[in-house]
Amino acid sequence: EAQVTQNPRYLITVTGKKLTVTCSQNMNHEYMSWYRQDPGLGLRQIYYSMNVEVTDKGDVPEGYKVSRKEKRNFPLILESPSPNQTSLYFCASRDVLAGGPTDTQYFGPGTRLTVL
Amino acid sequence: AQTVTQSQPEMSVQEAETVTLSCTYDTSENNYYLFWYKQPPSRQMILVIRQEAYKQQNATENRFSVNFQKAAKSFSLKISDSQLGDTAMYFCAFIPSYNTDKLIFGTGTRLQVFP
Repeated sequence: EAQVTQNPRYLITVTGKKLTVTCSQNMNHEYMSWYRQDPGLGLRQIYYSMNVEVTDKGDVPEGYKVSRKEKRNFPLILESPSPNQTSLYFCASRDVLAGGPTDTQYFGPGTRLTVL
Repeated sequence: AQTVTQSQPEMSVQEAETVTLSCTYDTSENNYYLFWYKQPPSRQMILVIRQEAYKQQNATENRFSVNFQKAAKSFSLKISDSQLGDTAMYFCAFIPSYNTDKLIFGTGTRLQVFP
């Protein structure tokens, strides 16, 4: 089954304690992204990656790191989490064909993060 | 700045009726993709419909159709024969060019379908 998985699904942590949210896709997609969703703000892109070892900042990259060492994995790292990073996080992936990126973006189930 | 505006925070419609959700966007690019996503209470993001900017014909997917007005930078979603399962948050989004994965979302419209 084609899917994007995220772990953990729920996480409560404290300020300053480093954490990693994993994202993995089994569709051999080239493009992967991380978003955060906050009430009244919609989804905002944090980082995206168009291929292995290629990453770029989205609209709200501050306080986050990513890496893309393998095509299937795109972890999101919070080196020193703060309460303003409490949010719902989505990972997504999509394929690239000869004519350009495909339209279908597959989203993971979301990770609810609370930073106390 | 490239932005997406959804001016209707909440909408409601009676089952079997038609509802239209508004979306406007701002970009200086000529080629881009437009999308509507649905987010039911399960929080899963589901692609409803998409439109490539170079195509003048409005996209349709069963009961869902769009009214794409490129000059006006408008991309509204029409849901016909509304069903209770259409109750969800709807997000308008666009990718501003062909060579990026930068996906920009609006703030969403919460749609309630009532019997």
